[in-house]
This record gives sequence, structure tokens and C-alpha cells, in this order.
Amino acid sequence: NAGVTQTPKFQVLKTGQSMTLQCAQDMNHNSMYWYRQDPGMGLRLIYYSASEGTTDKGEVPNGYNVSRLNKREFSLRLESAAPSQTSVYFCASSPGGGATDTQYFGPGTRLTVL
Amino acid sequence: QKEVEQNSGPLSVPEGAIASLNCTYSDRGSQSFFWYRQYSGKSPELIMSIYSNGDKEDGRFTAQLNKASQYVSLLIRDSQPSDSATYLCAVKRSGGGADGLTFGKGTHLIIQP
Repeated sequence: NAGVTQTPKFQVLKTGQSMTLQCAQDMNHNSMYWYRQDPGMGLRLIYYSASEGTTDKGEVPNGYNVSRLNKREFSLRLESAAPSQTSVYFCASSPGGGATDTQYFGPGTRLTVL
Repeated sequence: QKEVEQNSGPLSVPEGAIASLNCTYSDRGSQSFFWYRQYSGKSPELIMSIYSNGDKEDGRFTAQLNKASQYVSLLIRDSQPSDSATYLCAVKRSGGGADGLTFGKGTHLIIQP
């Protein structure tokens, strides 16, 4: 089991460029999440998908879109990258629902926007 | 605004001693509480979860929860240099939905050999 995988590991973009961050899990989890982590800010939720076919906004959704492609895959798209989106992006998954639901994180994508 | 507060540190503890990490949260309806460990440049790794008042022990780690005081802590006994990392407190709000976690900013722990 690979758990949660993310591609790419590193990316440098110029302002205004677009890109899609990919995430996949092989744990048959129902729920998937995208977080960003900035120095001194902790992890903040961007979007989540409680189950296949549904997506919802988190704390900081502006400038991002998501697609839950199937049960395994959840992608994050930046349509027009801005320097403020320079961050480390983590994807996570969980079985889904319930007070004891536990999230497991992927290795992260380190994005720099120039 | 739901908040989770942690002392950013660094917290310096001698090898073999007990490290005590603290976290407070503002949403009184929070149900689930998690401690993640994050090494520099790596992803968060689950250490402990706790759901009811009291203590929960797992090896060298003990999580403590006091919902009345809105306080959760993590004790690490017999601290080792490999415990040096940032520890993130995370809270899941009330309700059964999969709506993400609210994280504190983390406490940087340094175990001195």
C-alpha cells in the first residue's frame, strides 16, 4: 500500500500560469482533503470531498478549484497562480464520517510562484 | 472563528525527561482531538487521537483531554532525540461530517542529548 501519493513533489510557476496538483489514495477511503501549510500559519483546509461526487469549500478556497475524479483521486487546480499561493500543499484522506475519523497525509507538493 | 492555540516554542527538553505539549481550542462542541508529529520537510504523521475526557496512553505517549477546560495535552516520556519535531494539535468539530480538521500552528520540540 502506497497510502496517499501526490504529484509533483516540487513545482515552480510564474504568476498567471495554471497547474493541477494530483492526489491519489489506495486505502479505499471515502473522504479526501486539500490543505496548505505556510510558515507560522499551520495547516489550513482549502477544499474537501466527503465522498465521491461531492466537494465543499474549506477555510481558504479562493483561487483554487477541485475535482473528485473517482473514489481514489482528488485534484487541486490553480487557474492563475499568484505569489500568495506559494506554499506546501498536502492532500489527506480518511475513511469518512464519524467522530473517530482519522486523516492520513500525503508527502506534499512544494509550490513556488514567482 | 474556530481556533486552536499552541505555544510555538521552541520547547527544549533534556533527553530522558518528560516533554509536555499543550493545546487549547475555542469550539466547545469539538468532538475529536489529534496530535500529529511533523519532521522538517515532511508530512504530518498521526501520533495520538483522543475522544473522551481523561488520559489515553500509547507506549511513551499519553494524550490528556479536559473538555470542560477546552484543553488537550500530549506527554512524551523518556524523550529521545528522534522526538525532536513540530507537534501539531488538530481538532474536528462536532457532527459526523467529513469536514476537515482545524490545526494549531504547532510546537517545535527540541530534545537535547
